[in-house]
Amino acid sequence: KAGVTQTPRYLIKTRGQQVTLSCSPISGHRSVSWYQQTPGQGLQFLFEYFSETQRNKGNFPGRFSGRQFSNSRSEMNVSTLELGDSALYLCASSPDRAAYEQYFGPGTRLTVT
Amino acid sequence: AQTVTQSQPEMSVQEAETVTLSCTYDTSESNYYLFWYKQPPSRQMILVIRQEAYKQQNATENRFSVNFQKAAKSFSLKISDSQLGDTAMYFCAFGSSNTGKLIFGQGTTLQVKP
Repeated sequence: KAGVTQTPRYLIKTRGQQVTLSCSPISGHRSVSWYQQTPGQGLQFLFEYFSETQRNKGNFPGRFSGRQFSNSRSEMNVSTLELGDSALYLCASSPDRAAYEQYFGPGTRLTVT
Repeated sequence: AQTVTQSQPEMSVQEAETVTLSCTYDTSESNYYLFWYKQPPSRQMILVIRQEAYKQQNATENRFSVNFQKAAKSFSLKISDSQLGDTAMYFCAFGSSNTGKLIFGQGTTLQVKP
């Protein structure tokens, strides 16, 4: 099976812009989770989607949003970008509940200037 | 709230030797999962090993094994016969059956020296 794919791999945006990141889970996996990884804060949970519904949400402002499509592909959107949003954004897929085991994609490196 | 603590920011080991990475966690749940993930310089997070809290037997995957002490809330990773390719950051993670999400520790950077 193909692994989790994320596009784009690298992105440079300007403060105030918005960005959309995409994630395609492993075939047959219905749960997709998103994480933000920074040197200072480590890995922080953003949200989890299962069967097109947001099942869990982390402690991030409303500028961070996501959705999941019927084919389990997921997108996350960050509006009004801030310098502090510069991070590696990781997507992970799981067959069912995220807590059981997750398989990660290569990540999208977002730089906000 | 659950927390995961990795008290060793950096460790090093000689090739072919054994190294143990420490992890402690805090939770009031009785049913949960614990994981070790490896993140090499390429940044791809790789699942190393998984432990179900209800299982008393420690998980093993080839050269990787865990020492799961449920009462002490400790979950250490032992890497035997270390290889240069084991050089990476290692994350301990807690999976909550209640919330369905993973909580990660801050990571331990492991360097395997030739």
